[in-house]
This record gives sequence, C-alpha cells and structure tokens, in this order.
Amino acid sequence: DGGITQSPKYLFRKEGQNVTLSCEQNLNHDAMYWYRQDPGQGLRLIYYSQIVNDFQKGDIAEGYSVSREKKESFPLTVTSAQKNPTAFYLCASSISGTGGIKNIQYFGAGTRLSVL
Amino acid sequence: GNSVTQMEGPVTLSEEAFLTINCTYTATGYPSLFWYVQYPGEGLQLLLKATKADDKGSNKGFEATYRKETTSFHLEKGSVQVSDSAVYFCALSDNYGQNFVFGPGTRLSVLP
Repeated sequence: DGGITQSPKYLFRKEGQNVTLSCEQNLNHDAMYWYRQDPGQGLRLIYYSQIVNDFQKGDIAEGYSVSREKKESFPLTVTSAQKNPTAFYLCASSISGTGGIKNIQYFGAGTRLSVL
Repeated sequence: GNSVTQMEGPVTLSEEAFLTINCTYTATGYPSLFWYVQYPGEGLQLLLKATKADDKGSNKGFEATYRKETTSFHLEKGSVQVSDSAVYFCALSDNYGQNFVFGPGTRLSVLP
C-alpha cells in the first residue's frame, strides 16, 4: 500500500538535545511538507521541499532543520534552539508543488513530541 | 495573500442532526478547494474536493459546493453520526504552486 510513514509515533526530548523525526513516502511524490500542530490549533508550516536537494522555510522554521537527499525521505530535526518543541508534528506530500489538484496533500499519522 | 476562514467551534450536535460548517476563502484566480478531516490523535485525511466553480465534492455523506460568487465552500451532512466527531479543515490550493492554505479547523462533537 502506498502512503506516508512517520516515526516514531511518540518522542521525548531532553533539554539541550536535538531529535530527528522521520518521514518516508512511497507515493513517488515530488513535494513534501512539515507542519506543527499545537493543541486545539490549526497547522503551521515549518519547511517544505518541492524537489530533491532543495527546500524552503515555512512560517515557523526557526529552531528546525530538514534535509531532502532522497525523493522518499524528508526528515525533520528539532534542535535545542527550539525552546517550545512540545507539539504534534505532521508530514505531508503532494504530487508536485505546481498548483491545483497536484497540490493535494496526503498526510502521515503524525509524531507527538514532548519535553522531559 | 490567500486565506481561508472557517466558523469557530466547537460545534456540538445530536446524532442525526444536520451539519453545516461554513468556509469562505480569499484567493487570486481559480483555486482548488478541499475539506480535510482529522480524527483524534491522527493525521489529516482528504474528505472531498472541488476544482472549479459550481463543482460539488462529496464523500461519506458529506458534500460541499464551490461557490465562486460568494467565495464559499460550506461543508454539509444531512444526518451526522457519533463517528463523525473530529476536526474539519477547509483548505485551498492556488494555481501558482506556492500556496496550500489551511483554515484553522472546526471541532465537531456529535452526542448520542
């Protein structure tokens, strides 16, 4: 079955520690996205990538970093510079970033990050 | 820039009641419009879509019509079930590639 896999489902971070959230897709999509969702809130875009080896900052990129070395993979690192990392993180992908229905985003099940 | 506005929640209904969740948008050109649903602790799932004016998207008893004259895409269901309790997000995608915009979400609770 095609889809987007996020791991782990739950993650705990100690103060000063960097943690990496995994996102893998087998949909052959070019574009991938990371969102942050706080309790009772909507989605905020952290980073997105429209093609391998290229990515762009979203609305709240500070304290986060990404890489896109393979089409299937778009890992997100939450660095120690992110002072309030507790949130639900959602990864998504779309056929491309060229607009219209090609932008339909398909989501993973999410990773819940908490601070110890 | 592009934006999506949704009615504030939470919305609480009894089972078998009629549901409307309002959504209006601001965008240049002719965006595609979507409704997503998020069940507790899960990611978002695409519920339905419409790509041009007067299109009606429908799925699982839900439907929404793309109204360009009122820039709206209201979600409706004739008879809700307890299992419909979730957060519903309206979204748009413009035709220029850079924007996929989500509304703030509306939480629906259906009571037995």
